[in-house]
Amino acid sequence: EDKVVQSPLSLVVHEGDTVTLNCSYEVTNFRSLLWYKQEKKAPTFLFMLTSSGIEKKSGRLSSILDKKELFSILNITATQTGDSAVYLCAVKFGTSYGKLTFGQGTILTVHP
Amino acid sequence: NAGVTQTPKFRVLKTGQSMTLLCAQDMNHEYMYWYRQDPGMGLRLIHYSVGEGTTAKGEVPDGYNVSRLKKQNFLLGLESAAPSQTSVYFCASAPGGTGNEQFFGPGTRLTVL
Repeated sequence: EDKVVQSPLSLVVHEGDTVTLNCSYEVTNFRSLLWYKQEKKAPTFLFMLTSSGIEKKSGRLSSILDKKELFSILNITATQTGDSAVYLCAVKFGTSYGKLTFGQGTILTVHP
Repeated sequence: NAGVTQTPKFRVLKTGQSMTLLCAQDMNHEYMYWYRQDPGMGLRLIHYSVGEGTTAKGEVPDGYNVSRLKKQNFLLGLESAAPSQTSVYFCASAPGGTGNEQFFGPGTRLTVL
């Protein structure tokens, strides 16, 4: 069965901490892995990863994919209270028309 | 551009009632999707469409129907609502092909009593 698993499910840190969120997957014919941030409403796109070992970076956020070990990590450095959100990992695979299979999400809470 | 919009934002139904959720996008995207989000389960795909006049089942299609009569609109229908359909529903759209991210609407919170 195709599945996407995120860990941890929830995380509480203080401002300035660095966090690492994990996403592992077991799918056939992998195409790409995406990270989204969800604050109360619509998920907003962060990164799309298709190749192993190539880091994607945006400000304090970065992500990398390991297609051999079937996982991705999302790093957030110098966390801020505005980083508090649910972080969703999703995978495109098979002959799907861009369909995404999502993990359960990681709830990140950043305290001042 | 408004992006992806959803109507209504909130709705309360009684068991057995019917309703239609409307999703509209102004980005000329080919693909559109309906998801539901339940606590601890991430987003699950209900139905999707790869173009005007076409629809297909996703992971959890039972109890829902969809239609895509116009490219910019994707409707999700509940013919006879059940408490198990209490959820937050998200619509998304994407350009054709598999190399693009999906853009999400703000969601509809549905409660079935």
